[in-house]
Amino acid sequence: DTAVSQTPKYLVTQMGNDKSIKCEQNLGHDTMYWYKQDSKKFLKIMFSYNNKELIINETVPNRFSPKSPDKAHLNLHINSLELGDSAVYFCASSQTNEKLFFGSGTQLSVL
Amino acid sequence: AQSVTQLDSHVSVSEGTPVLLRCNYSSSYSPSLFWYVQHPNKGLQLLLKYTSAATLVKGINGFEAEFKKSETSFHLTKPSAHMSDAAEYFCVVSSPDSNYQLIWGAGTKLIIKP
Repeated sequence: DTAVSQTPKYLVTQMGNDKSIKCEQNLGHDTMYWYKQDSKKFLKIMFSYNNKELIINETVPNRFSPKSPDKAHLNLHINSLELGDSAVYFCASSQTNEKLFFGSGTQLSVL
Repeated sequence: AQSVTQLDSHVSVSEGTPVLLRCNYSSSYSPSLFWYVQHPNKGLQLLLKYTSAATLVKGINGFEAEFKKSETSFHLTKPSAHMSDAAEYFCVVSSPDSNYQLIWGAGTKLIIKP
């Protein structure tokens, strides 16, 4: 009965590979987000979708492509992975623009 | 421009003693302010939020924070630390300055000594 679930929890891969991280929420929220937490613990928003429509797209390389098949899912696909992509990625959802419910994070390590 | 500064990257206290995690913000408008907690290998959880109601806000797990407009501060406190409070704490601000996007502080790691 996890509210926001993301998979996988850990992802180790080689440079140049393409990988996806999946996120699902069962809270009935309209808005979903992807955040990147870097090694210095800074959390930066990457994307936000509202009812499957992209509403926030921060300065993120176009190797990152979010996909929202329905409002309960927001997947993150990353092409041609680079060393600098190593980070923890958090999915979140909210009914408003304020209180966020977060997934447990995906630790991506690019070797 | 809107910003949030957490003044300490690490805070270490003994179990049973008070906790103070400091946060200062800048905003041209009355902001909404939040504290989130991140336990090791877990997602973030909302501790408490201030949205222009009472200036002293009570949150979960015995934490509270006071909004002080004159000092542009929103410090997080707890009277008595517990070992389970060891985590990373993030102060977050939201206002029309940033089109209500959340602006995150760099985090404060709370260490509890037995």
